[in-house]
Amino acid sequence: NAGVTQTPKFRVLKTGQSMTLLCAQDMNHEYMYWYRQDPGMGLRLIHYSVGEGTTAKGEVPDGYNVSRLKKQNFLLGLESAAPSQTSVYFCASTRGFEQFFGPGTRLTVL
Amino acid sequence: GQQLNQSPQSMFIQEGEDVSMNCTSSSIFNTWLWYKQDPGEGPVLLIALYKAGELTSNGRLTAQFGITRKDSFLNISASIPSDVGIYFCAGQLGGSNYKLTFGKGTLLTVNP
Repeated sequence: NAGVTQTPKFRVLKTGQSMTLLCAQDMNHEYMYWYRQDPGMGLRLIHYSVGEGTTAKGEVPDGYNVSRLKKQNFLLGLESAAPSQTSVYFCASTRGFEQFFGPGTRLTVL
Repeated sequence: GQQLNQSPQSMFIQEGEDVSMNCTSSSIFNTWLWYKQDPGEGPVLLIALYKAGELTSNGRLTAQFGITRKDSFLNISASIPSDVGIYFCAGQLGGSNYKLTFGKGTLLTVNP
């Protein structure tokens, strides 16, 4: 039982490049979330999903897209990366109130 | 959107001391949670509170859900070096999407 896993762990992009972050969970959770963490800002919700095939915007959705084609996977895409998207990205899933987090992806956009 | 005010922002204490941190909000929350984040890791749930006035312990940790439902505090007794990390409060308004609002965190440093 791996819990929540994220791929990749680290990535460096140039401005304008695109990439996809993968989140996978093996706990059969319905709900999944993408957050970004910046120094002194806590965790801010980017997008979330309440089930396979559904997505919704969170607090800071601009510049990101998501897809939930399979229940266990939640993808976060950056179509045209900007330096302001340099951050640590966390995925989480939940069976209720208690969200379980992945180890994070550290993204740097030059 | 909702905001949580978490204080203090950082603490530097000696091993063995007790620690207290809190979160306040202008909004009423149905659930309060406290998470800890170790360096380079994702947050891990410490304590969940589901009812106003509830006092819950987990080892050396004690947390309370405020009576007004707009605040919560976390106490750590007899701190040890492995308590080092960032502590986050999070509130959940209710509803079916289980979205959480997070505080900005308290950075705890424990001097052995």
